[in-house]
Amino acid sequence: SQTIHQWPATLVQPVGSPLSLECTVEGTSNPNLYWYRQAAGRGLQLLFYSVGIGQISSEVPQNLSASRPQDRQFILSSKKLLLSDSGFYLCAWRSEDEKLFFGSGTQLSVL
Amino acid sequence: AQTVTQSQPEMSVQEAETVTLSCTYDTSENNYYLFWYKQPPSRQMILVIRQEAYKQQNATENRFSVNFQKAAKSFSLKISDSQLGDTAMYFCAFVPSGGSYIPTFGRGTSLIVHP
Repeated sequence: SQTIHQWPATLVQPVGSPLSLECTVEGTSNPNLYWYRQAAGRGLQLLFYSVGIGQISSEVPQNLSASRPQDRQFILSSKKLLLSDSGFYLCAWRSEDEKLFFGSGTQLSVL
Repeated sequence: AQTVTQSQPEMSVQEAETVTLSCTYDTSENNYYLFWYKQPPSRQMILVIRQEAYKQQNATENRFSVNFQKAAKSFSLKISDSQLGDTAMYFCAFVPSGGSYIPTFGRGTSLIVHP
């Protein structure tokens, strides 16, 4: 079966520290992968998407970057976190039957 | 560019009653998918239902059904026999089929089901 794993569930980081959030998909190959951010009480903002290994498209200029080192792995990073990077981060993938499924999310608090 | 509008920031309904959430979208695409997602307090995004634009028949999933009006670019979600567990944020989403698969989400509707 196809599943998506996202970790950690919660993360508290000081301003200026690095960030690495990881997302992996199982049971499929070469999926489209997405990183979204959701501010408190708000909708979803698409940050990055990837259609294949090493292929990253950025939707919003920001302090974050994404990488796809393996077919089913998608990583969201930052070299130096800002207060404004706080939020709920969701990884998603496009299934073979053209549906979009989400991971369980990471609540990031930058203090 | 596509836009998705959910004009109802908040809705409430009594348990066992029916409620309809509205969604409109704007696109020049002819082939696309429309989705409704549920986000309960756990914040997990759960796929509720999907409609394919080329299908005239409205999608249904148990107590959830849609009213898809392609010409009007309207895609509402009807929840029948509302349950307390339906309390959540509901997001409408548009995805063009073919080419890039880039979802656009509405800002959400907060639904509260009262006992």
